[in-house]
Amino acid sequence: NAGVTQTPKFQVLKTGQSMTLQCAQDMNHNSMYWYRQDPGMGLRLIYYSASEGTTDKGEVPNGYNVSRLNKREFSLRLESAAPSQTSVYFCASSEDILRTGGPGELFFGEGSRLTVL
Amino acid sequence: QKEVEQDPGPLSVPEGAIVSLNCTYSNSAFQYFMWYRQYSRKGPELLMYTYSSGNKEDGRFTAQVDKSSKYISLFIRDSQPSDSATYLCAMSAEYNTDKLIFGTGTRLQVFP
Repeated sequence: NAGVTQTPKFQVLKTGQSMTLQCAQDMNHNSMYWYRQDPGMGLRLIYYSASEGTTDKGEVPNGYNVSRLNKREFSLRLESAAPSQTSVYFCASSEDILRTGGPGELFFGEGSRLTVL
Repeated sequence: QKEVEQDPGPLSVPEGAIVSLNCTYSNSAFQYFMWYRQYSRKGPELLMYTYSSGNKEDGRFTAQVDKSSKYISLFIRDSQPSDSATYLCAMSAEYNTDKLIFGTGTRLQVFP
């Protein structure tokens, strides 16, 4: 019963290095998301993908790129890491809408803790 | 001013207490309201969902929405140590999940 799986769980980077966070879901959801969570800022949406082949910017997309590889997988890439990107990153997936109407329930992974020195 | 405000806590209560967690918001168009629970070093999980105004009850949890005051609450009755977590409110004017705005979360500690 995996749900949403993120890798890696922890990563330390130096300024300017690049890396990719991987995410996979096994719930056959169309929509997938990348959030970052910072103290005092809450969860903020970086990018999302409403379906395979489409991606859209969220609230804080600068410095990130994403790829929706297939229906299951959605990756987040930092091309040139900066200390401001030190954060906990969460991948999530959802049904399009709740069966009762309203925003679909988000199913989150356990998070990837990234430190940029 | 943030669209959604939430007291960060921590809120520390004894086992069995009634807990009240709150969020205020500024956008009168919000009509979908959710509460997510996040255990330490885990991802959030949906706890309660309410559409528009009114109350919704699920076991020991009650979600309340007062749109006239732009105020939502989550009440936990007979709180347990297993309720110790961070509680995030989330809300949206539209049914698109990507439009959800999250509060910063309130950390709750229930001690035996």
